[in-house]
Amino acid sequence: EVQLVQSGAEVKKPGESLKISCQASGYKFTDYWIAWVRQMPGEGLEWVGIIHPIDSDARYSPSFQGQVTISADESISTTYLQWSSLKASDTAMYYCTRHLYDSSTFDNWGQGTLVTVSS
Amino acid sequence: SYELTQVPSVAVSPGQTASITCSGNKLENKYASWYQQKPGQSPLLVIYLNKKRPSGIPERFSGSNSGNTVTLTISGTQPMDEAVYYCQAWDRDIAVFGGGTKVTVL
Repeated sequence: EVQLVQSGAEVKKPGESLKISCQASGYKFTDYWIAWVRQMPGEGLEWVGIIHPIDSDARYSPSFQGQVTISADESISTTYLQWSSLKASDTAMYYCTRHLYDSSTFDNWGQGTLVTVSS
Repeated sequence: SYELTQVPSVAVSPGQTASITCSGNKLENKYASWYQQKPGQSPLLVIYLNKKRPSGIPERFSGSNSGNTVTLTISGTQPMDEAVYYCQAWDRDIAVFGGGTKVTVL
């Protein structure tokens, strides 16, 4: 069974750094891209970016380029999303999701990580 | 930037058919997926490649496309289908989501 298990909720202050994780199991980690999706409170889904774990090739939405960094650790089948300096506007639920390249779709989703940034 | 447009809400009576549309420039040249999201839950893939249904998704969910519009149809809508539905497609290596349509089963 494919599973994407995300790290727990975080409460941070503006200016702090943060790294959240998404651990995959039930399939060969290096065969699939993993994407991150943001959902602000009461809002829709926004694509943040995507990474291929085999070579850490990461691509970003223009809206998030330079604002976040996506990385992967093949040895523990884990993908990360990190911020160097959080803003209040980063408050949102963040989902990781597996991308099926041949089907142009996202077939499995993590449970989400709630990030709250407040002074 | 590329945009996918969805109506904000659709109301349907139990047992009736709900049709949810998603339109975008040259969408006929792309593949679309549909995701269902219930309150407090992660999105769930219900249709991919415009009309394919993943295993485990009920047959009452179907997808179609015509011109620059893709449509998700829920036949015999059940109260458990009440959710927000998002369409998604790729444009120049960027994944784009529609704004979402809230389906209310009255």
